[in-house]
Amino acid sequence: GQNIDQPTEMTATEGAIVQINCTYQTSGFNGLFWYQQHAGEAPTFLSYNVLDGLEEKGRFSSFLSRSKGYSYLLLKELQMKDSASYLCAVRGSGGYNKLIFGAGTRLAVHP
Amino acid sequence: DTGVSQNPRHKITKRGQNVTFRCDPISEHNRLYWYRQTLGQGPEFLTYFQNEAQLEKSRLLSDRFSAERPKGSFSTLEIQRTEQGDSAMYLCASSLRVAKTGAIYNEQFFGPGTRLTVL
Repeated sequence: GQNIDQPTEMTATEGAIVQINCTYQTSGFNGLFWYQQHAGEAPTFLSYNVLDGLEEKGRFSSFLSRSKGYSYLLLKELQMKDSASYLCAVRGSGGYNKLIFGAGTRLAVHP
Repeated sequence: DTGVSQNPRHKITKRGQNVTFRCDPISEHNRLYWYRQTLGQGPEFLTYFQNEAQLEKSRLLSDRFSAERPKGSFSTLEIQRTEQGDSAMYLCASSLRVAKTGAIYNEQFFGPGTRLTVL
């Protein structure tokens, strides 16, 4: 089966650092994506990992361990506008690049 | 605006009616995907086109659902005899095969979605 788990909700303080974890069990693996989605809006791409290790893009970093079926998204210097849902998605192998999404982690950033 | 566009943005219909949604992908993208998202959940894959060919359909896509991409550009998703359980956000995404450091990147760009409410 296909299973992607991430926490349902998290809260953090403006200026702080937060780590959102994602574990996955999928039939095949060809990359992991993180998307940000504000309420009522489309998901927007944040990061992509296909090899083990850390990918850094400004305030956002994403880590992948394929052997553990584990990824995390790290958000630094949190801003109020970072309040959103963060979706972890896995692309399976041998298919047509469809993404399998987790249910998302709703992050609330407060002053 | 050169992003993915979807129309209409909102659709309210009565149970049993047919509805059709349209998606215009980013112009050079040859891959197009439809997803469905319900409240508090991540998007679920429905179907995929490469150019005009529909190459994969999810088991979620019952016989009441049909999708087309006649000229390999825009796509339509039709739901016949709508049911209340069809109420959801329908998202379209497009991508272009791009090689990044030897790996296939293929970021999917999402449209704003069509929110369907079936009464």
